[in-house]
Amino acid sequence: DTGVSQNPRHKITKRGQNVTFRCDPISEHNRLYWYRQTLGQGPEFLTYFQNEAQLEKSRLLSDRFSAERPKGSFSTLEIQRTEQGDSAMYLCASSLATGGGGLSYEQYFGPGTRLTVT
Amino acid sequence: SQQGEEDPQALSIQEGENATMNCSYKTSINNLQWYRQNSGRGLVHLILIRSNEREKHSGRLRVTLDTSKKSSSLLITASRAADTASYFCATASISGYSTLTFGKGTMLLVSP
Repeated sequence: DTGVSQNPRHKITKRGQNVTFRCDPISEHNRLYWYRQTLGQGPEFLTYFQNEAQLEKSRLLSDRFSAERPKGSFSTLEIQRTEQGDSAMYLCASSLATGGGGLSYEQYFGPGTRLTVT
Repeated sequence: SQQGEEDPQALSIQEGENATMNCSYKTSINNLQWYRQNSGRGLVHLILIRSNEREKHSGRLRVTLDTSKKSSSLLITASRAADTASYFCATASISGYSTLTFGKGTMLLVSP
């Protein structure tokens, strides 16, 4: 399967613990996005990378959240000192942006990591 | 924050009927995309329509875009039970068009 993969698929943690999620995008895609989705809502943008550069971060991304894409391939999203309000599905997506400018291209989503904070 | 607002929130139809979902948004856009999300699965891209386009077709899907009314519609013709899913519109704004802003979605149920 050459689609976007995410690990783990499910994570249950206690409040105050740190968690890290991994996303492996489609190999030739240069853009990688993180979203958060809660029940009954659409995905909310968190951050995105073009290659290894983090180009944009949402105001939703508090200082407890950090994302990296060190070699422009896979990415990790870490949440420190988790809170119950962090419980959500965390989605990763990738896309191939060609040419100049910031045109939005169709995004390919992974299955998500469902986080439950108890 | 969610920019797109889909209407209706839920839609229940019989197989073979057509399903129409609407999306309204607030800011000027570069393009608008529709995605489908099945229960327990990730989102799948269905169709992208650019701001200078008015209508686009893909198989049983027809999307229209009216930038003067800041609205779009997705029509699924001859629906099938397998079309049961949540449908989201997502906008790429004209100023920050590298990212997408999703609506809350329309939950479509197609009964056999």
